[in-house]
Amino acid sequence: EPEVTQTPSHQVTQMGQEVILRCVPISNHLYFYWYRQILGQKVEFLVSFYNNEISEKSEIFDDQFSVERPDGSNFTLKIRSTKLEDSAMYFCASSVNRGNSPLHFGNGTRLTVT
Amino acid sequence: AQRVTQPEKLLSVFKGAPVELKCNYSYSGSPELFWYVQYSRQRLQLLLRHISRESIKGFTADLNKGETSFHLKKPFAQEEDSAMYYCALTSGSARQLTFGSGTQLTVLP
Repeated sequence: EPEVTQTPSHQVTQMGQEVILRCVPISNHLYFYWYRQILGQKVEFLVSFYNNEISEKSEIFDDQFSVERPDGSNFTLKIRSTKLEDSAMYFCASSVNRGNSPLHFGNGTRLTVT
Repeated sequence: AQRVTQPEKLLSVFKGAPVELKCNYSYSGSPELFWYVQYSRQRLQLLLRHISRESIKGFTADLNKGETSFHLKKPFAQEEDSAMYYCALTSGSARQLTFGSGTQLTVLP
């Protein structure tokens, strides 16, 4: 069964550095998402992406964050200047369409900002 | 604003016992409700959704609009059901999921 894949599984970075989290959605899916989960807290929506542009974004997704689909397969989340509070598990997800199709999640990338 | 509440962080039951994981939501319109499960060291995966009215791995969940609840039930818990369970909702054309805080279910032998 096809899966959403995320790399790396764990990223450690220093405060103020830029990080790029990578995701390969399922190949026939059209909608892509990033969620994050700070340790001990809820899974929170960050952004959705369709047709090469952002569809929706949450309050968390401020100017420090950006997403891109640089080629036909990758979907990336960039954090420009990381802060300690960006430490979290970041989940990528994709879905076939915007209707009733479920979201398929990746295994997540654990980001640790020191 | 939409919100999902899972009042129990931890729930332990013995194998063969019934289990109910509670979920309440607040949303003014007609939401779509889901249960996602995360087994140890695995990804979040969809368990079931209310519009399908299906039973997956013996689990069922009924949407009760009067009580704004979507509790997950299984009559006879198995050890392999031990996992983190998240209730979530999405609304209208938006596909963003609002998650509850999750319930860690442990089924004891």
